[in-house]
Amino acid sequence: DIQMTQSPSSLSASVGDRVTITCRASQGISNSLAWYQQKPGKAPKLLLYAASRLESGVPSRFSGSGSGTDYTLTISSLQPEDFATYYCQQYYSTPGTFGQGTKVEIK
Amino acid sequence: EVQLVESGGGLVQPGGSLRLSCAASGFTFSSYEMNWVRQAPGKGLEWVSYISSSGSTIYYADSVKGRFTISRDNAKNSLYLQMNSLRAEDTAVYYCARDGGGSDIFASYMDVWGKGTTVTVSS
Repeated sequence: DIQMTQSPSSLSASVGDRVTITCRASQGISNSLAWYQQKPGKAPKLLLYAASRLESGVPSRFSGSGSGTDYTLTISSLQPEDFATYYCQQYYSTPGTFGQGTKVEIK
Repeated sequence: EVQLVESGGGLVQPGGSLRLSCAASGFTFSSYEMNWVRQAPGKGLEWVSYISSSGSTIYYADSVKGRFTISRDNAKNSLYLQMNSLRAEDTAVYYCARDGGGSDIFASYMDVWGKGTTVTVSS
């Protein structure tokens, strides 16, 4: 199985900050990567797929980049509603595996 | 409105069985692959199982293979997960999730999620 490692596991940031979360795969995944946002007690929400394609309705302050084994989720200007846990997921091979999550907290 | 609603969760003893259901609405269910994903208390997400739009292709996580069975009824717009020989480590919120990839041969990313149903395995 492909292992996905996210960093950091948690971070504290202020409204308006630029936030970057990294996801590293144990082998190349050819941009077959999705990012999800999950708030406490809620289901995950798809933000991006194919590493950089924004899901419909997701604000443009979210962006994704990367290639090979290393991928990044960037929030350009953190908003109050963005405080949540973020997960990456590779779907290059089955089983699709998730990163352990990055909790974004208010500073 | 596109919607997935899970049901069937509950408290079950180790070794017991449960059948989860997921009712789909607002989209052409028979055209979409589907997945089950679970989340243990305080933990991350774990993909559990995938089924193609026709039901002809199915995959399972190693952790549930041989114990869980995924199925669907396209006439009823419903997805199911039969869970047998349940263990304490199966305790989790189980989410039904629509596959957004469209390949119909392997699991992809998930673009629509239900709110989840809670399964607790305990004596």
